[in-house]
Amino acid sequence: EVQLVESGGGLVEPGGSLRLSCSASGLTFSNAWMSWVRQAPGRGLEWVGRIKSKTAGGTVEYAAPVKDRFTISRDDSENTLYLLMNSLKTEDTATYHCATYMVRGGSFYGLDVWGQGTTVIVSS
Amino acid sequence: DIQMAQSPSSVSASVGDRVTITCRASQGVGNLLAWYQQKPGKAPKLLIYAASSLQSGVPSRFSGSGSGTDFTLTISSLQPEDFATYFCQETHSFPITFGGGTKVESK
Repeated sequence: EVQLVESGGGLVEPGGSLRLSCSASGLTFSNAWMSWVRQAPGRGLEWVGRIKSKTAGGTVEYAAPVKDRFTISRDDSENTLYLLMNSLKTEDTATYHCATYMVRGGSFYGLDVWGQGTTVIVSS
Repeated sequence: DIQMAQSPSSVSASVGDRVTITCRASQGVGNLLAWYQQKPGKAPKLLIYAASSLQSGVPSRFSGSGSGTDFTLTISSLQPEDFATYFCQETHSFPITFGGGTKVESK
């Protein structure tokens, strides 16, 4: 069974930094394309970004609100995905989920496995 | 960016009812549309991908249809465990965007 477990959330002041981790098991992590999705309290889902597998080029894409502040990376030897968040704003307050990309024939079809999420609160 | 307009925002229904949720994309996405179910405090669960393909393990009372800009999720006979919030998501282009969600509540 594929499992994703996020950690690293917490309370941080505006302008601060935080690094989230997503530990994966039950899959060949090095082949997986991975994503971060966030959900502000009582709100909908917002895609944060995606990283391809290294064999697919390892490229990263970000949503506009986090571009130049957040960095997605991966350590395939540790089966772990990371989200480094800098210059945090109050509007970054959310539960952050990691998820696996369902890619078939070069097309993206959805996020098929999700972690339970870790909560980030940006407040002074 | 592609905008996803999901309706209704909430629906009240009874066990056994047929429930239909729609999603309209601001531009064509082919069949690259997914549907998710989310229960309070839980992660979203993929129900439908490629507009009409049922994810493994998802009950057959869930079905999806549509292409281009207009899509539908149908629950043929609502079960107690189906009370939840449902989201559509276009998987066609960056940034990937979600609909605002539809909460299915007990009448």
